Amino acid sequence: QKEVEQDPGPLSVPEGAIVSLNCTYSNSAFQYFMWYRQYSRKGPELLMYTYSSGNKEDGRFTAQVDKSSKYISLFIRDSQPSDSATYLCAMSAGETSGSRLTFGEGTQLTVNP
Amino acid sequence: EPEVTQTPSHQVTQMGQEVILRCVPISNHLYFYWYRQILGQKVEFLVSFYNNEISEKSEIFDDQFSVERPDGSNFTLKIRSTKLEDSAMYFCASSVTFRGETQYFGPGTRLLVL
Repeated sequence: QKEVEQDPGPLSVPEGAIVSLNCTYSNSAFQYFMWYRQYSRKGPELLMYTYSSGNKEDGRFTAQVDKSSKYISLFIRDSQPSDSATYLCAMSAGETSGSRLTFGEGTQLTVNP
Repeated sequence: EPEVTQTPSHQVTQMGQEVILRCVPISNHLYFYWYRQILGQKVEFLVSFYNNEISEKSEIFDDQFSVERPDGSNFTLKIRSTKLEDSAMYFCASSVTFRGETQYFGPGTRLLVL
């Protein structure tokens, strides 16, 4: 079983739609959960991070973590064509065993005008 | 806004040659990382570095790889004898904290081994 699973998509939505991106994980040691955005052939750009179950909001983005189900989500409201990119979830065990990030495969999102 | 920079952006080398990839982390960051992404695959951790020594390394980071912080600003990844399968995008990242939740990535170096 993969440590982090993410549906690679592709996902195509109309402008203004609400987008839901999800990851599941199997390693209970993961304590910190991140979402990165990656444009083609560029470096990952940190969007949000959280370390507790529940929701965290930042503008049009909401990150949600459910540790009991080992499931995390990123919601994008009022999606824009500029949101078209690959979205990567990443996780870290933090202080328990170092700070390496374990990434999902990435979900390719296209927002159509 | 401070950012991680990497040079070169592209590198083409022959199999068996040594390459050095360079990174300038964000200036007040203390933890440094290298990751790689083979085309079409996920981003994979290679190594983390703190206080002038390796903190953690993955199974990918074998004896052919080494890292160094030669001065107060640069962080380098050396591949001693490149193989075809080393062709990938190599990303440097840096972080203020050891917990890993705020790692900022550079734009990457695309390495092609022929």
